[in-house]
Amino acid sequence: GEDVEQSLFLSVREGDSSVINCTYTDSSSTYLYWYKQEPGAGLQLLTYIFSNMDMKQDQRLTVLLNKKDKHLSLRIADTQTGDSAIYFCAEILGGATNKLIFGTGTLLAVQP
Amino acid sequence: NAGVTQTPKFQVLKTGQSMTLQCAQDMNHNSMYWYRQDPGMGLRLIYYSASEGTTDKGEVPNGYNVSRLNKREFSLRLESAAPSQTSVYFCASSEAGRTETQYFGPGTRLLVL
Repeated sequence: GEDVEQSLFLSVREGDSSVINCTYTDSSSTYLYWYKQEPGAGLQLLTYIFSNMDMKQDQRLTVLLNKKDKHLSLRIADTQTGDSAIYFCAEILGGATNKLIFGTGTLLAVQP
Repeated sequence: NAGVTQTPKFQVLKTGQSMTLQCAQDMNHNSMYWYRQDPGMGLRLIYYSASEGTTDKGEVPNGYNVSRLNKREFSLRLESAAPSQTSVYFCASSEAGRTETQYFGPGTRLLVL
Protein backbone atom coordinates (compact mmCIF):
# COMPACT_ATOMS: atom_id res chain seq x y z
CA GLY A 1 0.00 0.00 0.00
CA GLU A 2 0.91 3.65 -0.31
CA ASP A 3 1.45 5.32 3.06
CA VAL A 4 3.80 8.06 4.21
CA GLU A 5 3.80 8.84 7.91
CA GLN A 6 5.09 11.78 9.89
CA SER A 7 4.63 13.09 13.41
CA LEU A 8 2.27 16.05 13.44
CA PHE A 9 4.19 18.55 15.58
CA LEU A 10 7.74 19.53 16.49
CA SER A 11 8.70 22.43 18.73
CA VAL A 12 12.29 23.71 19.02
CA ARG A 13 14.08 26.79 20.29
CA GLU A 14 15.69 29.24 17.92
CA GLY A 15 19.30 28.24 17.23
CA ASP A 16 18.73 24.55 17.99
CA SER A 17 18.69 21.81 15.37
CA SER A 18 15.37 20.39 14.19
CA VAL A 19 14.94 16.82 13.00
CA ILE A 20 11.75 15.93 11.18
CA ASN A 21 11.16 12.23 10.57
CA CYS A 22 9.19 10.34 7.96
CA THR A 23 8.54 6.70 7.13
CA TYR A 24 7.38 5.47 3.76
CA THR A 25 6.22 2.15 2.41
CA ASP A 26 7.08 1.89 -1.28
CA SER A 27 10.58 0.44 -1.55
CA SER A 28 10.61 1.10 -5.29
CA SER A 29 10.43 4.89 -4.85
CA THR A 30 13.23 6.43 -6.87
CA TYR A 31 13.11 9.86 -5.26
CA LEU A 32 12.01 11.15 -1.88
CA TYR A 33 11.21 14.79 -1.26
CA TRP A 34 10.79 17.42 1.38
CA TYR A 35 8.35 20.27 0.81
CA LYS A 36 7.80 23.36 2.95
CA GLN A 37 4.46 25.10 3.34
CA GLU A 38 4.41 28.52 4.94
CA PRO A 39 1.13 29.90 6.34
CA GLY A 40 -1.38 30.72 3.61
CA ALA A 41 0.95 29.58 0.83
CA GLY A 42 1.34 26.61 -1.45
CA LEU A 43 4.01 23.95 -1.15
CA GLN A 44 7.58 24.71 -2.10
CA LEU A 45 10.07 21.97 -2.96
CA LEU A 46 12.84 22.22 -0.39
CA THR A 47 15.14 19.35 -1.27
CA TYR A 48 15.10 15.78 -2.50
CA ILE A 49 17.25 12.69 -2.35
CA PHE A 50 17.73 9.94 -4.87
CA SER A 51 17.09 6.48 -3.49
CA ASN A 52 20.66 5.24 -4.05
CA MET A 53 22.03 7.94 -1.73
CA ASP A 54 22.01 7.85 2.05
CA MET A 55 22.76 11.50 2.74
CA LYS A 56 22.44 14.84 1.02
CA GLN A 57 23.51 18.18 2.46
CA ASP A 58 22.35 21.57 1.21
CA GLN A 59 23.45 24.51 3.36
CA ARG A 60 21.52 24.21 6.66
CA LEU A 61 19.55 21.18 5.44
CA THR A 62 20.67 17.57 5.76
CA VAL A 63 18.58 14.72 4.40
CA LEU A 64 19.26 11.22 5.69
CA LEU A 65 17.80 8.13 4.04
CA ASN A 66 17.73 4.68 5.60
CA LYS A 67 16.41 2.57 2.77
CA LYS A 68 16.42 -0.65 4.77
CA ASP A 69 14.06 0.84 7.37
CA LYS A 70 12.28 3.09 4.82
CA HIS A 71 13.05 6.06 7.02
CA LEU A 72 13.74 9.59 5.83
CA SER A 73 14.72 12.56 7.97
CA LEU A 74 15.28 16.27 7.46
CA ARG A 75 17.68 18.07 9.79
CA ILE A 76 17.65 21.86 9.90
CA ALA A 77 20.71 23.31 11.58
CA ASP A 78 20.53 26.59 13.50
CA THR A 79 16.74 26.73 13.21
CA GLN A 80 15.32 30.23 12.74
CA THR A 81 11.84 31.63 13.32
CA GLY A 82 11.50 31.88 9.54
CA ASP A 83 11.72 28.08 9.41
CA SER A 84 8.35 27.83 11.14
CA ALA A 85 6.13 26.03 8.65
CA ILE A 86 4.61 22.66 7.83
CA TYR A 87 7.07 20.21 6.30
CA PHE A 88 5.83 17.42 4.07
CA CYS A 89 7.80 14.42 2.98
CA ALA A 90 6.71 12.74 -0.22
CA GLU A 91 7.61 9.70 -2.26
CA ILE A 92 7.12 9.26 -5.95
CA LEU A 93 5.45 6.14 -7.21
CA GLY A 94 6.77 4.91 -10.48
CA GLY A 95 5.00 2.95 -13.14
CA ALA A 96 2.06 4.30 -15.08
CA THR A 97 0.85 6.76 -12.47
CA ASN A 98 4.17 8.46 -11.62
CA LYS A 99 2.52 10.43 -8.84
CA LEU A 100 3.58 11.95 -5.55
CA ILE A 101 2.29 10.57 -2.26
CA PHE A 102 2.52 13.09 0.56
CA GLY A 103 2.81 12.54 4.27
CA THR A 104 0.46 14.27 6.70
CA GLY A 105 2.96 17.09 7.32
CA THR A 106 4.86 18.11 10.46
CA LEU A 107 4.22 21.53 11.93
CA LEU A 108 7.57 22.97 13.04
CA ALA A 109 7.15 25.67 15.67
CA VAL A 110 10.30 27.66 16.43
CA GLN A 111 10.28 29.40 19.80
CA PRO A 112 12.36 32.59 20.10
CA ASN B 1 6.04 35.11 -14.39
CA ALA B 2 3.05 34.65 -12.11
CA GLY B 3 3.68 30.90 -11.75
CA VAL B 4 0.53 29.03 -10.75
CA THR B 5 -2.54 31.14 -10.01
CA GLN B 6 -5.83 29.99 -8.54
CA THR B 7 -9.23 31.64 -8.25
CA PRO B 8 -11.10 32.19 -6.07
CA LYS B 9 -8.97 32.42 -2.93
CA PHE B 10 -11.87 31.33 -0.77
CA GLN B 11 -15.52 30.39 -1.20
CA VAL B 12 -18.47 29.46 0.98
CA LEU B 13 -21.10 27.18 -0.57
CA LYS B 14 -24.30 25.61 0.59
CA THR B 15 -24.76 21.87 0.23
CA GLY B 16 -25.87 21.05 -3.30
CA GLN B 17 -24.46 24.17 -4.95
CA SER B 18 -21.95 23.88 -7.76
CA MET B 19 -18.78 25.76 -8.48
CA THR B 20 -15.64 25.65 -10.58
CA LEU B 21 -12.17 26.27 -9.22
CA GLN B 22 -9.86 27.82 -11.78
CA CYS B 23 -6.13 27.22 -12.17
CA ALA B 24 -3.68 28.66 -14.67
CA GLN B 25 0.09 28.40 -15.11
CA ASP B 26 2.40 30.44 -17.29
CA MET B 27 5.45 28.16 -17.19
CA ASN B 28 4.53 26.18 -20.30
CA HIS B 29 4.23 23.02 -18.21
CA ASN B 30 2.62 19.95 -19.72
CA SER B 31 1.38 18.37 -16.49
CA MET B 32 -1.12 19.81 -14.03
CA TYR B 33 -2.63 18.48 -10.81
CA TRP B 34 -5.41 19.11 -8.33
CA TYR B 35 -4.95 18.22 -4.65
CA ARG B 36 -7.00 18.65 -1.53
CA GLN B 37 -5.45 19.22 1.85
CA ASP B 38 -7.26 18.19 5.01
CA PRO B 39 -6.02 18.31 8.61
CA GLY B 40 -4.12 15.17 9.51
CA MET B 41 -4.43 13.81 5.97
CA GLY B 42 -1.67 15.52 4.03
CA LEU B 43 -2.27 16.28 0.39
CA ARG B 44 -4.31 13.88 -1.66
CA LEU B 45 -4.41 13.86 -5.43
CA ILE B 46 -7.88 14.39 -6.91
CA TYR B 47 -7.16 14.46 -10.65
CA TYR B 48 -4.19 15.11 -12.84
CA SER B 49 -3.53 15.91 -16.46
CA ALA B 50 -0.29 14.57 -17.86
CA SER B 51 -0.65 16.66 -20.99
CA GLU B 52 -3.15 18.84 -22.82
CA GLY B 53 -6.17 16.78 -23.78
CA THR B 54 -5.72 14.06 -21.16
CA THR B 55 -7.02 13.72 -17.61
CA ASP B 56 -6.78 10.88 -15.11
CA LYS B 57 -8.20 10.09 -11.72
CA GLY B 58 -6.07 10.41 -8.65
CA GLU B 59 -6.63 9.08 -5.16
CA VAL B 60 -9.93 10.84 -4.33
CA PRO B 61 -11.81 11.72 -7.55
CA ASN B 62 -15.38 11.09 -6.42
CA GLY B 63 -17.57 14.20 -6.49
CA TYR B 64 -15.25 16.11 -8.80
CA ASN B 65 -14.78 16.67 -12.51
CA VAL B 66 -11.93 18.37 -14.31
CA SER B 67 -11.32 20.06 -17.62
CA ARG B 68 -7.95 20.69 -19.22
CA LEU B 69 -9.12 23.64 -21.24
CA ASN B 70 -5.75 24.25 -22.90
CA LYS B 71 -2.11 23.91 -21.93
CA ARG B 72 -2.35 26.77 -19.42
CA GLU B 73 -5.62 26.04 -17.66
CA PHE B 74 -6.94 23.16 -15.59
CA SER B 75 -10.27 23.59 -13.81
CA LEU B 76 -11.90 21.55 -11.05
CA ARG B 77 -15.68 21.39 -10.80
CA LEU B 78 -17.89 20.40 -7.92
CA GLU B 79 -21.32 19.62 -9.37
CA SER B 80 -23.16 19.23 -6.07
CA ALA B 81 -21.04 20.30 -3.13
CA ALA B 82 -21.09 18.31 0.11
CA PRO B 83 -19.74 19.25 3.56
CA SER B 84 -17.12 16.51 3.14
CA GLN B 85 -15.62 18.63 0.36
CA THR B 86 -14.73 21.39 2.80
CA SER B 87 -11.00 21.62 2.31
CA VAL B 88 -8.11 23.61 0.92
CA TYR B 89 -7.58 22.90 -2.76
CA PHE B 90 -4.19 23.23 -4.39
CA CYS B 91 -3.38 23.25 -8.06
CA ALA B 92 0.14 22.37 -9.22
CA SER B 93 2.02 22.02 -12.47
CA SER B 94 5.23 20.38 -13.61
CA GLU B 95 7.24 19.71 -16.73
CA ALA B 96 6.46 16.46 -18.48
CA GLY B 97 8.16 13.58 -16.70
CA ARG B 98 9.21 15.80 -13.79
CA THR B 99 6.46 14.98 -11.31
CA GLU B 100 8.80 15.65 -8.40
CA THR B 101 9.26 19.31 -9.23
CA GLN B 102 5.72 20.53 -8.93
CA TYR B 103 4.98 24.21 -8.55
CA PHE B 104 2.00 24.90 -6.35
CA GLY B 105 -0.57 27.65 -6.41
CA PRO B 106 -1.58 29.51 -3.24
CA GLY B 107 -4.69 27.40 -2.68
CA THR B 108 -8.46 27.90 -2.59
CA ARG B 109 -10.13 27.55 0.77
CA LEU B 110 -13.63 26.08 0.38
CA LEU B 111 -16.27 25.79 3.08
CA VAL B 112 -19.43 23.83 2.35
CA LEU B 113 -22.23 24.38 4.85
